[in-house]
Amino acid sequence: AQSVTQLGSHVSVSEGALVLLRCNYSSSVPPYLFWYVQYPNQGLQLLLKYTSAATLVKGINGFEAEFKKSETSFHLTKPSAHMSDAAEYFCAVSPRSSNTGKLIFGQGTTLQVKP
Amino acid sequence: DADVTQTPRNRITKTGKRIMLECSQTKGHDRMYWYRQDPGLGLQLIYYSFDVKDINKGEISDGYSVSRQAQAKFSLSLESAIPNQTALYFCATMGPGTDTQYFGPGTRLTVL
Repeated sequence: AQSVTQLGSHVSVSEGALVLLRCNYSSSVPPYLFWYVQYPNQGLQLLLKYTSAATLVKGINGFEAEFKKSETSFHLTKPSAHMSDAAEYFCAVSPRSSNTGKLIFGQGTTLQVKP
Repeated sequence: DADVTQTPRNRITKTGKRIMLECSQTKGHDRMYWYRQDPGLGLQLIYYSFDVKDINKGEISDGYSVSRQAQAKFSLSLESAIPNQTALYFCATMGPGTDTQYFGPGTRLTVL
């Protein structure tokens, strides 16, 4: 079965520092890959997605992620953290072989941004 | 107005009570999903529906049931709530031929 692992349940960075949130998936066939962000007391919002073609995906709010098939990874980065980036981030996959659209989520990473 | 709405936003109930959580959408999407979120576990799929007559179980459907009253409405019921169903519940929608789900704001359910 497909699974998603997010390394680090909590990540803390200083404002202006690089943000790196790690995501690895287990699948013999690369799935569709997503990053969602959840701000306090809100639902999930799509940051970016990888479905095909370009392996470097740019999303909203300055985030980007790179799909690396050899490493089965889809890590999320942002060059310079803002205080407003403090939130919980979820990596998710959807198998290409399925047309159900079901998402399998990682356990989430809480990003803290220190002034 | 929000495209995906959930009611209630917060609910506290007692063990054994029947609870219904409602989800409505104005996006015109055919697919709707119910997830629960537990700290440290991410989101897990409870049920999903492709249209009014097509309901499917997700990974953790035991103890839950759903009803798709119309294309725009998808309700989740807990027939007899138990404390380990305390969680944050999200509804999501997705349109045909797309790959992005849109989430509601969530319902925080506490079962005492």
